[in-house]
Amino acid sequence: QVQLVESGGGLVKPGGSLRLSCAASGFTFSDYYMSWIRQAPGKGLEWVSYISSSGSTIYYADSVKGRFTISRDNAKNSLYLQMNSLRAEDTAVYYCARDGTATTDYWGQGTLVTVSS
Amino acid sequence: QSALTQPASVSGSPGQSITISCTGTSSDVGGYNYVSWYQQHPGKAPKLMIYEVSNRPSGVSNRFSGSKSGNTASLTISGLQAEDEADYYCSSYTSSSTPRVFGGGTKLTVL
Repeated sequence: QVQLVESGGGLVKPGGSLRLSCAASGFTFSDYYMSWIRQAPGKGLEWVSYISSSGSTIYYADSVKGRFTISRDNAKNSLYLQMNSLRAEDTAVYYCARDGTATTDYWGQGTLVTVSS
Repeated sequence: QSALTQPASVSGSPGQSITISCTGTSSDVGGYNYVSWYQQHPGKAPKLMIYEVSNRPSGVSNRFSGSKSGNTASLTISGLQAEDEADYYCSSYTSSSTPRVFGGGTKLTVL
């Protein structure tokens, strides 16, 4: 069955950096686009970033453009999100998600990122 | 402000039917048949309930159905059960600078 397991979250000071990882299993990772989606405490879902199956096409939300970098390693079945210049408003649960045909179909359990001094 | 507009809350009694709306524009909901609906229980990850406007993934109850008219998509839950109490989010493919947009979410209360 499809499994997505995020790791790397934690407490970081404003201006700091963090790298999230997502380990995928149960499907052919290299065949799928992947996304990072976040949810601030008590708030709704916010799409963050998206990468094509080969890694050649990448999109970012305006709120993270220039600060976050998405990448993937198809040989390791892994997705990453490098987050720099973190702000308090980046505090959220970050979900790794699989993209089918224009549909985000499977989500990981999420990893909490807290940006606070 | 979310790109897609949903009511903040809806409620219904067990056995009743409810409908949640999701309003966008011709650049997202109205322009493509790629509307999805997600159910999220507290502390849990979202779960796909409807994709491509009206399709149910394997394992999702047929009490859940989706439709679309113009720039508004709808999720209908019939025969409400206590376990349906959750937050529901719509999402759409979009031709804007980002490939996905979400609605602000709707809290469903089963009375």
